[in-house]
Parts: sequence; C-alpha cells; structure tokens
Amino acid sequence: GAVVSQHPSRVICKSGTSVKIECRSLDFQATTMFWYRQFPKQSLMLMATSNEGSKATYEQGVEKDKFLINHASLTLSTLTVTSAHPEDSSFYICSASPNSGETQYFGPGTRLLVL
Amino acid sequence: GENVEQHPSTLSVQEGDSAVIKCTYSDSASNYFPWYKQELGKRPQLIIDIRSNVGEKKDQRIAVTLNKTAKHFSLHITETQPEDSAVYFCAASKGGSQGNLIFGKGTKLSVKP
Repeated sequence: GAVVSQHPSRVICKSGTSVKIECRSLDFQATTMFWYRQFPKQSLMLMATSNEGSKATYEQGVEKDKFLINHASLTLSTLTVTSAHPEDSSFYICSASPNSGETQYFGPGTRLLVL
Repeated sequence: GENVEQHPSTLSVQEGDSAVIKCTYSDSASNYFPWYKQELGKRPQLIIDIRSNVGEKKDQRIAVTLNKTAKHFSLHITETQPEDSAVYFCAASKGGSQGNLIFGKGTKLSVKP
C-alpha cells in the first residue's frame, strides 16, 4: 500500500518550453501532496505544499508563477515548470500522505534536463 | 527558521559493524521524526519513524532513539550489510503545519564487504 507514481521519469526539453510533471497516489487518497527539488548529492528541498481544491502553499524563494501546481483531485497533483531554463534542471520528487498526517510516501522522481 | 542538522555527512563501516547517524532539530513543536533511505537515482523510502510520545523504536536491525529535551534523535543500524549502503535522511515535522517535513542534509553510508 501507499504507492505514489510520477510521470514522466525523465524529460529533456529546450529552454523556454514548459514541462508538466504528474504525481499520483495509486492506492490511497491524498488531501495533501508535496513537491521537492533535489540537486545532486544534496538534500530534499520542499518547494510547495499542494492542497486538493485550493491554492498551493509555496516555500520562501520559490516562484509560484514559475512552478505552477494544480491539485485537482485527491489522487493527482501536477507541477508545471513554465518557460524552463537550464538552471531549472534538477530532480523533482513528489510525495503524498495517506492520512493527512505526517507520514509521506515518495514518488520515483522526475529528472528534468533543460538544454 | 526551523532547521535539522545531520551528522556525519559520510560514514564508512565494515560489514557486520553498527552505524549511527545523529540529527538535531530546532523546532520545539516538532513531534514526528521519520528516517528515509535513498539509493542512487531512486525515491526516498521510509524505513522507520518515531513520534514524540516514545523514546525508542526498533524494527529488526534498525532502531531510532529520541531525546525531546535535547532535541536530538538518532538512527542505529546493527549488523550492517552491503545493501544498507545508501544515503539516509532524517526529518522533523514542522510545528503548526499540515504534515510538512524539514529534512537533514543526508548521510552517505558505505558498508564495505
């Protein structure tokens, strides 16, 4: 139980394009999902908290117009990196909690490379 | 702001030895402390967690201890095996938030056969 999927697993795009990443909880409903960014050999940095049916809560320093988050259902949250630039290249990981509590289960991550 | 310090950043042990990773946190309202294991290129996997109402929890070769007064918690792995090699992250819940976690910077554990 508590399986989280993420799609795509990796994407290469040209600078200036937008990229959408999907995060799904497969066997549970998640009122809250989280989006993280992880640079090589570094820790998980929380970007935003995605709440079903309401606006996402962004961490300080994260541009909400750059990283659009939509949580339209209890099993799906999407992160759109708009007008991507090479500095946006990173490993993006989502997580979800099955009971609106603290226990988070992570997706497999999406490796984004912007050329 | 809230912070979680994790030490050491790298740890190398011989197979069969024990490994200990320590974390300290700053938010006195934190009440949930999970540990994640992340193998290279893969997702973080929850391996054990502890809540503030207990001081120790054990699951086979893995144990976690919590000292709320001192605001520190530790992961103990006994009888280490090469497959334990990975990066381990500690985390502490962010007080007053809905499930937010603050992560430590990680410990790269290498178990040599």
